[in-house]
Amino acid sequence: DTGVSQNPRHKITKRGQNVTFRCDPISEHNRLYWYRQTLGQGPEFLTYFQNEAQLEKSRLLSDRFSAERPKGSFSTLEIQRTEQGDSAMYLCASSLEAGGHNEQFFGPGTRLTVL
Amino acid sequence: AQSVTQLDSQVPVFEEAPVELRCNYSSSVSVYLFWYVQYPNQGLQLLLKYLSGSTLVKGINGFEAEFNKSQTSFHLRKPSVHISDTAEYFCAVSEGLGNTPLVFGKGTRLSVIA
Repeated sequence: DTGVSQNPRHKITKRGQNVTFRCDPISEHNRLYWYRQTLGQGPEFLTYFQNEAQLEKSRLLSDRFSAERPKGSFSTLEIQRTEQGDSAMYLCASSLEAGGHNEQFFGPGTRLTVL
Repeated sequence: AQSVTQLDSQVPVFEEAPVELRCNYSSSVSVYLFWYVQYPNQGLQLLLKYLSGSTLVKGINGFEAEFNKSQTSFHLRKPSVHISDTAEYFCAVSEGLGNTPLVFGKGTRLSVIA
């Protein structure tokens, strides 16, 4: 399977705990995006990388959130001291930046439930 | 700042009937426009995109959309829907060149009734 993969698919945690999600993009894609989707809403942009460089962070990304893409391949998104408001679907997407506008391919998402 | 408005949160339609899902955007610069579909428990899949050129864009699964710059709209249409088209549909916009982050609408739930 050469699509975008995300792990875990589901995560249930207690308020105050830390969680980490992983995204593996399509292998030749140099851009990787994180979005968050809450119930009844469209995905909202969180942050994105070109190779290992983090190019932009949304105001939605509080200081409890940190994302990395250390070798320009997979990425992790960590949420520290989770709150109930963090419950959402976290989506990862990747694309190939090669001039022009190319399609972002989305993974299946990680559904986070904070109790 | 760019924004996307999907005017209908839910659209019920009978099988084999035509459907239109409405999308309006606001942006001060040229935009790229997209429609994505999300089936239950799955990621988003690109239906079609408008980058430039012909304002009528054809996508997968028999869907098409028309870009109307004067009305800042990008409505999605299908002449005859199937039960399998039941899903959530998202309109999205990005500005500028390159692969910039997408701004999505809130989505429209299409329910096809047998």
